[in-house]
Amino acid sequence: AQSVTQLGSHVSVSEGALVLLRCNYSSSVPPYLFWYVQYPNQGLQLLLKYTSAATLVKGINGFEAEFKKSETSFHLTKPSAHMSDAAEYFCAVSNGQGGKLIFGQGTELSVKP
Amino acid sequence: DSGVTQTPKHLITATGQRVTLRCSPRSGDLSVYWYQQSLDQGLQFLIHYYNGEERAKGNILERFSAQQFPDLHSELNLSSLELGDSALYFCASSALQEANTEAFFGQGTRLTVV
Repeated sequence: AQSVTQLGSHVSVSEGALVLLRCNYSSSVPPYLFWYVQYPNQGLQLLLKYTSAATLVKGINGFEAEFKKSETSFHLTKPSAHMSDAAEYFCAVSNGQGGKLIFGQGTELSVKP
Repeated sequence: DSGVTQTPKHLITATGQRVTLRCSPRSGDLSVYWYQQSLDQGLQFLIHYYNGEERAKGNILERFSAQQFPDLHSELNLSSLELGDSALYFCASSALQEANTEAFFGQGTRLTVV
């Protein structure tokens, strides 16, 4: 069975600081991994996805994530936080069967001025 | 705007009642997924339809059912509602049913059972 663990339900950073949101996965097959962002009262929007083409994946809004098989991790980073990055972030894995997503519990990112 | 439309946006109903949530996928998308988001369970996959056929079921209660119509819109029916069914219900669509295909999410229907 596949699963995702997001370390830290709440992360707070200062504007301009590095953003690091942690995600570890468990999968018996090569995984497809995704990061989604949810702004208040909105649906989920795809930030980036890993599909085995490259281990460093660049997404929208300056975010990127690195797939590390040895660590079973897919952490999300952004060099410099902006106030508009405040949202909830979800890491997800696809189990290869029809495209359904298995989500982590989410990490709420706060950005302080 | 993701192109996925969910109606209604908000729904308040009493315990024991039945409701229907509607989802119109992006134009041309054949796959529709339903997810439930609650404070205690997080985001949980409910069910997947592809071109009118059920393809996968997740943690969906027997009181819940869904279907996808020939025009590809989908409905999620929730019956004998309980307080614990209060949640945000998302629909997502994708062009295919492959694991690496991006899913586009609607804004959700917030269901409150009182």
